[in-house]
Amino acid sequence: QVQLQESGPGLVKPSGTLSLTCAVSGGSISSSNWWSWVRQPPGKGLEWIGEIYHSGSTNYNPSLKSRVTISVDKSKNQFSLKLSSVTAADTAVYYCASFPGTTNAFDIWGQGTMVTVSS
Amino acid sequence: DIVMTQTPLSSPVTLGQPASISCRSSQSLVHSDGNTYLSWLQQRPGQPPRLLIYKISNRFSGVPDRFSGSGAGTDFTLKISRVEAEDVGVYYCMQATQFPLTFGGGTKVEIK
Repeated sequence: QVQLQESGPGLVKPSGTLSLTCAVSGGSISSSNWWSWVRQPPGKGLEWIGEIYHSGSTNYNPSLKSRVTISVDKSKNQFSLKLSSVTAADTAVYYCASFPGTTNAFDIWGQGTMVTVSS
Repeated sequence: DIVMTQTPLSSPVTLGQPASISCRSSQSLVHSDGNTYLSWLQQRPGQPPRLLIYKISNRFSGVPDRFSGSGAGTDFTLKISRVEAEDVGVYYCMQATQFPLTFGGGTKVEIK
């Protein structure tokens, strides 16, 4: 059973860069899944950030595209998120999730990591 | 972007009674491959979301059969045949037919 675990700093300064990693265990990141990042501001709904395939192909939400980079490290079986020029509006719980072609839905989620943007 | 609108915002339900959540999309969710990529997620308090239903009506592995999905085109429904205490949480619909992937605003199911 595939499991996902997010990690990274819980506090980022305004105008800085948010960096998170999602470790994939119990399966290979080179499987036929897309790997996504989704965020949820406190008390609010879900927002898709973007996704990556093991080949390195990516798709991003246009609302964040200018600030987002998602990358994959097959040797470490993990993928990462970088979000630049952050503001308080980027404060949220950040989830990584898998998106297999069999369901075309987010079937496995990490536990999430809270990131606060504050000086 | 495809806008997903859920109703109601909140649904107080008596244990053992049915519950129904509606999700409407701003445009058809039928993909050019003929599939409709509409899914439903449950988020219990303090937990990450959990997949319940994919492609309108397919229950994901381990999901109780009291959960069912239906609909077509732009109108979709999630039904819980008999609400149990563990069903309390927020339910989201999500479309994956067109980028960017988008979610409904959520419906809170609570016990009366």
